[in-house]
Amino acid sequence: GEDVEQSLFLSVREGDSSVINCTYTDSSSTYLYWYKQEPGAGLQLLTYIFSNMDMKQDQRLTVLLNKKDKHLSLRIADTQTGDSAIYFCADSWGGYSTLTFGKGTMLLVSP
Amino acid sequence: NAGVMQNPRHLVRRRGQEARLRCSPVKGHSHVYWYRQLPEEGLKFMVYLQKENIIDESGMPKERFSAEFPKEGPSILRIQQVVRGDSAAYFCASSPLTSGGTDNTDTQYFGPGTRLTVL
Repeated sequence: GEDVEQSLFLSVREGDSSVINCTYTDSSSTYLYWYKQEPGAGLQLLTYIFSNMDMKQDQRLTVLLNKKDKHLSLRIADTQTGDSAIYFCADSWGGYSTLTFGKGTMLLVSP
Repeated sequence: NAGVMQNPRHLVRRRGQEARLRCSPVKGHSHVYWYRQLPEEGLKFMVYLQKENIIDESGMPKERFSAEFPKEGPSILRIQQVVRGDSAAYFCASSPLTSGGTDNTDTQYFGPGTRLTVL
């Protein structure tokens, strides 16, 4: 069935760039999403990309999509300690919007 | 706050009791989704509802779990005769409508979740 995979952990220093990677299996994915979850909180939508795009930039966030390799990445420029959280990649497919999530990447930003 | 509201935020039940989780979608949203997050796991889809209709319940366990989204009032996820394995965070999301086109009107906005603990 449908599967979304992410690396589990990433550690960076404040001010560096962070790159979180995700792979998915469903070639009929329509939208791909990045959500952020802080401890004990719900999911905050960060950004999304339509499957016919290969890049989207939104302030410090850059999403790259390689549809051929089914690879999605989220780059956070000038990473801050407040960016420490779990980042989930998700895709939607089919006639409606059920989301399939990866297990999340824990980003730890040290001063 | 015009976002998705869920209550209670924390719920403790003993084995065999019933748990009722409520979700009020963003005003104007007619589509509700329930997801479950087990410890150190991603979110797993459970059920997708529109007003008075269950559209897809393929992710919901066949027994003890039910969901509704009545014409008036919040969506309810009901778990009967809870067991320890039901302990998880349950998230609700809403979207305005679904579309297979390029306009992403089906983006889901999530509530803060209900953390269920079964003793």
